[in-house]
Amino acid sequence: DQQVKQNSPSLSVQEGRISILNCDYTNSMFDYFLWYKKYPAEGPTFLISISSIKDKNEDGRFTVFLNKSAKHLSLHIVPSQPGDSAVYFCAASQAAGNKLTFGGGTRVLVKP
Amino acid sequence: GAGVSQSPRYKVAKRGQDVALRCDPISGHVSLFWYQQALGQGPEFLTYFQNEAQLDKSGLPSDRFFAERPEGSVSTLKIQRTQQEDSAVYLCASSLMSAEQFFGPGTRLTVL
Repeated sequence: DQQVKQNSPSLSVQEGRISILNCDYTNSMFDYFLWYKKYPAEGPTFLISISSIKDKNEDGRFTVFLNKSAKHLSLHIVPSQPGDSAVYFCAASQAAGNKLTFGGGTRVLVKP
Repeated sequence: GAGVSQSPRYKVAKRGQDVALRCDPISGHVSLFWYQQALGQGPEFLTYFQNEAQLDKSGLPSDRFFAERPEGSVSTLKIQRTQQEDSAVYLCASSLMSAEQFFGPGTRLTVL
């Protein structure tokens, strides 16, 4: 039973345009959500997070939106750059410091 | 170094062999997590330490998997009598009790 799902395995976007990555979850106990970026042969790198008391968090080119009623979150990258090409994972936890439950990842390709 | 380190980076084992994977967390990080990432999937939780105490081992797939962190710093994940389905990337992460976990580069285990 996949508690965190990323339904788009891949996404291709032109440099300078917006990348929108989506994530759905089923466990209503999840309280904290994170996005990680992963390059080949490296570990995941933390990008941005959001707690369930907020609906939006912004950090530079990255914005995460949370819709608790729909159990849905999204990551917006604006503008997209070729260096953003990587696999992006959505993750959730029941409290800060708890284990993370990951989605299956979305591979993003930003074309110059 | 400032980040999480793991060794070896690559390990090839014959089926039935025992392996030991090492994780050096960021200095001072209380929490340490192990995850298993199969090809094309997101990381899956294996076990969690707070200092030297193993507080959650619910993700360990069988009693062939064993983890320890005797002095609350370096951790070792041991897999006995390896099988082909154990082939995966094993990721270690550490954190300061916050939700943000910092990952190492992983150990890619291939069981022949």
